[in-house]
Order: sequence, then C-alpha cells, then structure tokens
Amino acid sequence: DVKVTQSSRYLVKRTGEKVFLECVQDMDHENMFWYRQDPGLGLRLIYFSYDVKMKEKGDIPEGYSVSREKKERFSLILESASTNQTSMYLCASSFLISGNTIYFGEGSWLTVV
Amino acid sequence: DAKTTQPPSMDCAEGRAANLPCNHSTISGNEYVYWYRQIHSQGPQYIIHGLKNNETNEMASLIITEDRKSSTLILPHATLRDTAVYYCIVRVANLGAGSYQLTFGKGTKLSVIP
Repeated sequence: DVKVTQSSRYLVKRTGEKVFLECVQDMDHENMFWYRQDPGLGLRLIYFSYDVKMKEKGDIPEGYSVSREKKERFSLILESASTNQTSMYLCASSFLISGNTIYFGEGSWLTVV
Repeated sequence: DAKTTQPPSMDCAEGRAANLPCNHSTISGNEYVYWYRQIHSQGPQYIIHGLKNNETNEMASLIITEDRKSSTLILPHATLRDTAVYYCIVRVANLGAGSYQLTFGKGTKLSVIP
C-alpha cells in the first residue's frame, strides 16, 4: 500500500516560532505537495515539488518555504509562525504522469498561539 | 476547466447501496474522473478514478455515462464507517514541469444511518 507519512499529527506552537512539518512517501513518487485545509476554503496548494531540490509555488506560498533534499522527503517550513497559519496541513504525492492517483497523508493539525 | 456539481448531503441506510451522483458537463476528452473521501479530521482518501469505462475496485464502483457528462460512485454495502465527505473531481490543473494537482470542491456529505 502507498504510504504518505506526516511526522506530527498535532502541534501547538507559539507565535514567532520556526515550525517544521515533515512528510515522507515510500512509493518513489516524483511529485510531492503541501496543502492547507480550512473550513469553507477547501484545500489550497502551498508548494509542490516535481524533483529533488526543485520547488514551485502554489496558490498561497506567503509565509512558507519548503525543502526537498531527498526524493522521498518533503518538508514544509513556517519561518515565523503566526496565528493565521493555524490550520490542518496535508502532504500528498504522486507520479508525474497525469491520470495517476494523488495520495494524501493523514494531516497535521497546527495551532499557533 | 471542468467543474463538478454534487448534492451537498445524502443519507443512506446501513447495509444498503450508496449512490453518489456527480455532474461534470464540461469535462474534456482527456480529463479523468476521480473520487476521494474525507473522514473528519483525516486526510483525503483515494477511492477510484476512471476515464471512459466503468471501474470497480474493492472499495467502490464508478459508473461513467457514455457522454461522460456525469458519473455515479456506488458503495455497494454502506457501513457506518463510510460516513464522510465524498469529492468528485475532474479538474486536473496543470502546474507545469509535468506536475498537476486535483482541485477539490465542496463534495457530498454522506451520512450512513443505522
């Protein structure tokens, strides 16, 4: 079975802290994604990566950065957490070719206080 | 870009088949129909996808009309654990560099009733 694993299920951080959310997939997928999901707004793409060391901005990249040093791992970084970044964060991965399935992790609930 | 229309909510009796409809009248020839579901507080779970032919797997069946303007997801014997929001997606936004993403709408909240 495809496995997309997010390192933390629930986190509480203080405003201004640097936050790392880690994601690992075990299917040798080229594509990896970070989304956030908020009530009434659906899933919004923050960043994606189609290869090691490659990253592309999604719809809402402000306040975030990412790192992909290895093919299986994609990290989301909040340089200075703010309360409006309180959300559920979802990592996903897929093969490069359209028509293939995108698989999601279980989600990380981040609360910034 | 193809858009989807789903009823906001549906009920289904436990043990009965749940038939979830989706309209996608502007779908183009190379766009797939995907179904995901999301149980509260969890990440979206892939269910099934198809292009033209009907598809079946261990979770569900996908029936796509011949003109591809609508589809139905069938859960043959719904259980309480199937209570979730079900998303029908036909939009594959090309992000460039060969990448793409699925755009989720509001979905159908399915409640399976004992």
